[in-house]
Amino acid sequence: DARVTQTPRDKVTEMGQEVTMRCQPILGHNTVFWYRQTMKQGLELLAYFRNRAPLDDSGMPKDRFSAEMPDATLATLKIQPSEPRDSAVYFCASGLVIEGEQFFGPGTRLTVL
Amino acid sequence: GQQLNQSPQSMFIQEGEDVSMNCTSSSIFNTWLWYKQDPGEGPVLLIALYKAGELTSNGRLTAQFGITRKDSFLNISASIPSDVGIYFCAGQPRNSGNTPLVFGKGTRLSVIA
Repeated sequence: DARVTQTPRDKVTEMGQEVTMRCQPILGHNTVFWYRQTMKQGLELLAYFRNRAPLDDSGMPKDRFSAEMPDATLATLKIQPSEPRDSAVYFCASGLVIEGEQFFGPGTRLTVL
Repeated sequence: GQQLNQSPQSMFIQEGEDVSMNCTSSSIFNTWLWYKQDPGEGPVLLIALYKAGELTSNGRLTAQFGITRKDSFLNISASIPSDVGIYFCAGQPRNSGNTPLVFGKGTRLSVIA
């Protein structure tokens, strides 16, 4: 049963701390997307990759967020330093092509105190 | 950027009732997809539509790709408590090149037993 996995599922941290979220895309999928979901803004696209190369990260606050794909089986989203306004659920999704169907992971619920 | 208008924003229905929700855009779309997000989970793909006028069913769910290519609707027949969740429409705008899906803000469905 091919699924996108994300770790951790929940993270509580204090303001100023570094947070790293990890995602394992579905094997064979070469596109990866990072989203943030809040009640107020809904689903916001932060960044996306194709074949491990970042194509667009214009949705991310550049000064504190960074997204990478160290290899084809791992995508990371890092926040440093974290702030209370970063509290949200972060989703990773993967797919076969940028414009096609996306398959979402279960999300990481981040709370920054 | 492209925007999808999803309505209604929320709805409360009695178990057994039929449900209808829709998604509209001022632009033409090549594909329409419908996702469901259960509480505490990531969105799950329900139905994908690729041709104008296409009508596709998945169990009690039926979705249609509008003939104008600017809208889509999702119907749920004989609702049950497990239909509770947020339903998202998503689409690929025409002439947008290799860009990710655009997502609506969701319809939050509550089912009263």
